[in-house]
Amino acid sequence: EVQLLESGGGLVQPGGSLRLSCAASGFTFSNYAMTWVRQAPGKGLGWVSAISGSDGSTYYADSVKGRFTISRDNSKNTLSLQMNSLKAEDTAVYYCAKLTAAAGRSSRIDYWGQGTLVTVSS
Amino acid sequence: QSVLTQPPSASGTPGQRVTISCSGSNSNIAANNVNWYQQLLGTAPKLLIYGNNQRPSGVPDRFSGSKSGTSASLAISGLQSEDAADYYCAAWDDSLNGAVFGGGTQLTVL
Repeated sequence: EVQLLESGGGLVQPGGSLRLSCAASGFTFSNYAMTWVRQAPGKGLGWVSAISGSDGSTYYADSVKGRFTISRDNSKNTLSLQMNSLKAEDTAVYYCAKLTAAAGRSSRIDYWGQGTLVTVSS
Repeated sequence: QSVLTQPPSASGTPGQRVTISCSGSNSNIAANNVNWYQQLLGTAPKLLIYGNNQRPSGVPDRFSGSKSGTSASLAISGLQSEDAADYYCAAWDDSLNGAVFGGGTQLTVL
């Protein structure tokens, strides 16, 4: 059974940093691209970033480029999102999700975590 | 403002057929596959349609998808109360080099 368990969310001040982690199990982690999708309170889904399973290529939404860094440790089946220079508009539930192929250039997600809430506020 | 445009709301009575549109551009919908997600209240999204018109195992055949040019549609026939949810279209955008979602459509079953 595929499981994705996010951690690391919480309250952070504007300009601060936070690191989200996602522990994956139930599939061969290195064979699949992974992605982060967020959802602000009462709002729709927003794609954040993706990383390929094979060559580690990374992709970012313009709104987070230069501030967020996605990474993966295939030896530990772990996906991470380092978030720096956080803004109030980054407040959202962040979902870790598995793409259906090794390439990160896809919007086809077959498994989602339960999400972790990030609140940016003073 | 989402890159993919969906109506914010849709509604129907049990048994009816409802369609939800998703409008994009040559760099996303026209160039790449469209996927649809269903999000029930308080839960993570679920893949409903992939590759424009394919259903994952377990998704009832009441749900169907189509694509033409820069637009895509999700159709739900034989509407049931449990279909009340938010629905999102998504596609890869070659110009942005990232995935894009529609703003979501809240479906109400009257």
